[in-house]
Parts: sequence; C-alpha cells; structure tokens
Amino acid sequence: DVKVTQSSRYLVKRTGEKVFLECVQDMDHENMFWYRQDPGLGLRLIYFSYDVKMKEKGDIPEGYSVSREKKERFSLILESASTNQTSMYLCASSFDRGGDTQYFGPGTRLTVL
Amino acid sequence: ILNVEQSPQSLHVQEGDSTNFTCSFPSSNFYALHWYRWETAKSPEALFVMTLNGDEKKKGRISATLNTKEGYSYLYIKGSQPEDSATYLCAPLNSNYQLIWGAGTKLIIKP
Repeated sequence: DVKVTQSSRYLVKRTGEKVFLECVQDMDHENMFWYRQDPGLGLRLIYFSYDVKMKEKGDIPEGYSVSREKKERFSLILESASTNQTSMYLCASSFDRGGDTQYFGPGTRLTVL
Repeated sequence: ILNVEQSPQSLHVQEGDSTNFTCSFPSSNFYALHWYRWETAKSPEALFVMTLNGDEKKKGRISATLNTKEGYSYLYIKGSQPEDSATYLCAPLNSNYQLIWGAGTKLIIKP
C-alpha cells in the first residue's frame, strides 16, 4: 500500500514565523502535490513537482515555496506565516503525470496566530 | 479553470437508506473525472477514475455514472451504513492534467 506521511497533524505558529511542512511518500512516485483545504472550497493546488529539484506553481502559490531535494520528500515552506494561511494542508503523490490516482497524507492543520 | 459544483453540500441519510449526489462540470474538453472519499481524521482515498461517456463503476455498495456530454456524474450509495459517513469529492481533470476539486458533499448516516 502507498503510504504518504506528513510531519505534523496539528501545528500552531505565530505571524511572521517561517514554517516547514514535510511530506514523505514510500512508493517511488514521480509526482507530488501540496494542496490547502478551506471550509466551503475545494482543494486548491499550491505547488507540485514532477521530478526531483523540479517545481511548478499551482493556482495559489503566493506566500509559499517548496523544495524537492529527494524523490520521496516534498516540503512546503511558508516564508513568513500570516493568519490567512491558517488552513488544512494536504500532501499527495501519484505515479503518472497525466491525472493518475493521487494518494494523500493525513493532512496538517495549521493555525497561525 | 473549470467550475466544479457538487450538490448537495451536506446530506443526512438514515442507516439502510440509499442515496445519491451530483458532481457538475463543464462538458467541453473533458479528460477524466475522479471521485474520492474523505473520512474525518483520515486521508482522502480514491474511489473511481472515469473517462468515457456512459461509464459506470462500482465498488461494493458504491457506484458512479458519468455523462460527459451534459457534464455531470452521480455517485450512488446503496443501503447506507455508518462507515459511509464521509465527505465525497469529485475532481475533473483539466487540459494541464491537473485535478480541479469540487467542495464536496458531506454525508452523515444516522443510525
């Protein structure tokens, strides 16, 4: 079974702090994704990566950056956290680029005070 | 960007009853449609990937149909059980091979 893990289930940070969210997958997937989920909205794509050291912006990249130094690990970075980044963050991975099934981590609920 | 709508937003169903809900999407440039189930405190899990008009997929008591000409998909649950309580998400694939997610239908099964 595919396993996608995220470093924290719950995280509380203060405005202006630098925040790292880590995601690791164990199935040698090429593709990894970071989403955020807010009440009443669908998952929104922040960034994705199709290969090591490769990243592409999703629909809402502002205020975020990512890092993919190893195939299994995809990190989301909030350079200077703000209250409007309070959200549920979900990481996912997939084998194929073309709309293959995505496998999700359990999510990190981030609160920025 | 595709406009994806799921209805209803939430649904209370008596245990044992059957139910269905809808995912609507623009019918032009259709590539595929994904359905996921997201239980509270767990990870979203894939249910179906549908590609052809008229497709019907089934997994146990859950089934889905696809109409790409009119731009909708139905998800059916037969004989609802408490473990079916979850948010059901649909996501059509856009021309950039990205999933565009609906806000989901939250299903609550009442014992």
